[in-house]
Amino acid sequence: SAVISQKPSRDICQRGTSLTIQCQVDSQVTMMFWYRQQPGQSLTLIATANQGSEATYESGFVIDKFPISRPNLTFSTLTVSNMSPEDSSIYLCSVGIQGRLFFGSGTQLSVL
Amino acid sequence: KNQVEQSPQSLIILEGKNCTLQCNYTVSPFSNLRWYKQDTGRGPVSLTIMTFSENTKSNGRYTATLDADTKQSSLHITASQLSDSASYICVVSVSHNFNKFYFGSGTKLNVKP
Repeated sequence: SAVISQKPSRDICQRGTSLTIQCQVDSQVTMMFWYRQQPGQSLTLIATANQGSEATYESGFVIDKFPISRPNLTFSTLTVSNMSPEDSSIYLCSVGIQGRLFFGSGTQLSVL
Repeated sequence: KNQVEQSPQSLIILEGKNCTLQCNYTVSPFSNLRWYKQDTGRGPVSLTIMTFSENTKSNGRYTATLDADTKQSSLHITASQLSDSASYICVVSVSHNFNKFYFGSGTKLNVKP
């Protein structure tokens, strides 16, 4: 299993600003994932963060809007850039270990 | 096309009653199916994981079933409590890619006193 610490747990931001979300895992993992969950919706994969290489983004998500860092095997950040009210969502980091998915506690973002 | 469909979309029950949530999938090749509980504003927490050879698995008042032939799973909640109010998400993974997961849209359960 894995214990994932994610912060901040929630934030209220102004339009046009950026927010960086941090995710710390208690063990070394190869793959970390970032998901977005819009109100009332299920989870949508934003990107897969690989240590030592560029993140792989899903269709509809771009690096300029959601830059990701993965400096080591236990840590990753996701930045939501130039925010608009449409970015109001829950953002979740997760890790996959042998086909099992573990989630952080989520960041609830509200953009005014 | 790999898909996971859950029903009902939402459900309201009285405290103490039982309920059953459904998950149908077309994901192949199947590796495992996991039910998650997600409280409002929080990350999903795993309830059970079912592999191909397992038919039933319980976790307290939660019992999951899997029929790999019909590609259906259910989550049965017994003697519901107010704290069961949450979204329940079905997630299926494939055997050829440990990092690929397919999500259902979830069932939002509301337990009323």
